[in-house]
Amino acid sequence: ETGVTQSPTHLIKTRGQQVTLRCSSQSGHNTVSWYQQALGQGPQFIFQYYREEENGRGNFPPRFSGLQFPNYSSELNVNALELDDSALYLCASSLGPGGPGTDTQYFGPGTRLTVL
Amino acid sequence: AQRVTQPEKLLSVFKGAPVELKCNYSYSGSPELFWYVQYSRQRLQLLLRHISRESIKGFTADLNKGETSFHLKKPFAQEEDSAMYYCALKSGGSYIPTFGRGTSLIVHP
Repeated sequence: ETGVTQSPTHLIKTRGQQVTLRCSSQSGHNTVSWYQQALGQGPQFIFQYYREEENGRGNFPPRFSGLQFPNYSSELNVNALELDDSALYLCASSLGPGGPGTDTQYFGPGTRLTVL
Repeated sequence: AQRVTQPEKLLSVFKGAPVELKCNYSYSGSPELFWYVQYSRQRLQLLLRHISRESIKGFTADLNKGETSFHLKKPFAQEEDSAMYYCALKSGGSYIPTFGRGTSLIVHP
């Protein structure tokens, strides 16, 4: 069984640029959630995708967008990068979106984004 | 709005001592509470959830709706318990979890 993987590991961008982060779900999982974790903070929910549709969204502006593909891998896109976007971005997959039997999330190692 | 507060950024204890990591929440409905743990150089992972009422690695947590708390407890801390611990809340029927800022637990030999 393959765990959740994320790429790249680290990324440096400048303000105003666009970035795409990638996540490969654990085998058999159809739900993926993305989180932003600033230094010294807990993860903050960005959005969740279930079977290629956005299934819930946190308090993030529209310049944060995502995609989920038929193989349930996922992308997080951030446009017009700002300095405050510097953070660790975590992806988590689960068997399903809700319910204690299916919603246990398995996290990836994260992508460290630095915006200069 | 839902909120999770972990008042301690750092908790330092000696091996064999009892440990309690505090978590208070703010939510008016029926919450679902979780504890997540991140060991050094490992991924964030679920430790336990209140509806399961289970003990994992000797840790237990009881939901106290009167005090709106979900403190994590272990009677005898071990060095391998040293990690970052996050309390999280989901409102009933929602897929959106809210995490606390985390507490770093250090267990000294």
